Amino acid sequence: DGGITQSPKYLFRKEGQNVTLSCEQNLNHDAMYWYRQDPGQGLRLIYYSQIVNDFQKGDIAEGYSVSREKKESFPLTVTSAQKNPTAFYLCASSYWDRDTEAFFGQGTRLTVV
Amino acid sequence: AQSVTQLGSHVSVSEGALVLLRCNYSSSVPPYLFWYVQYPNQGLQLLLKYTSAATLVKGINGFEAEFKKSETSFHLTKPSAHMSDAAEYFCAVSNRQGAQKLVFGQGTRLTINP
Repeated sequence: DGGITQSPKYLFRKEGQNVTLSCEQNLNHDAMYWYRQDPGQGLRLIYYSQIVNDFQKGDIAEGYSVSREKKESFPLTVTSAQKNPTAFYLCASSYWDRDTEAFFGQGTRLTVV
Repeated sequence: AQSVTQLGSHVSVSEGALVLLRCNYSSSVPPYLFWYVQYPNQGLQLLLKYTSAATLVKGINGFEAEFKKSETSFHLTKPSAHMSDAAEYFCAVSNRQGAQKLVFGQGTRLTINP
């Protein structure tokens, strides 16, 4: 079945460490997105990628980095520069130029300990 | 710039009662509008979307929403609430250039009372 897979589901990080969240899709979508979810704030866009080897900053990119070396994969690195990384992270994908919706993964809950 | 305002962070209704979740948007271009549902520790699932084909949009699980341009609203309704409808609901807007960068509202948590 086609879909988006995020791993791990739960992740714990010590302060000062970088950590990478995985996102893979087999929907043949062009575009992929990372959102951060905090209670009462909805979802905010961190980064998005329209095509392979290209990505753009979203509204809250500081302290995060991404890569898009393959169409299927869009990993997110939470760096030590991110001051408040504890959150629920959601990856999504969609076609870029069609009237369709974005599909979401099941999320990764990151906790800094 | 686009924005979404969901009125009411928490809504509580009795089982069998009408569900009404409010969403107002701001957009400088004709918008695409979406409602997503999220169950605890899960991703988002699309309930319905408006892309200009019809102003009354029917979605899954008996939900529907009406696009009202004059009121810049896209409220979500369901005639009769079921216990399984308890979840968080997000309204989102995107522009019409094919980009799917969604701008979300802050969410409304729906509680169903037996």
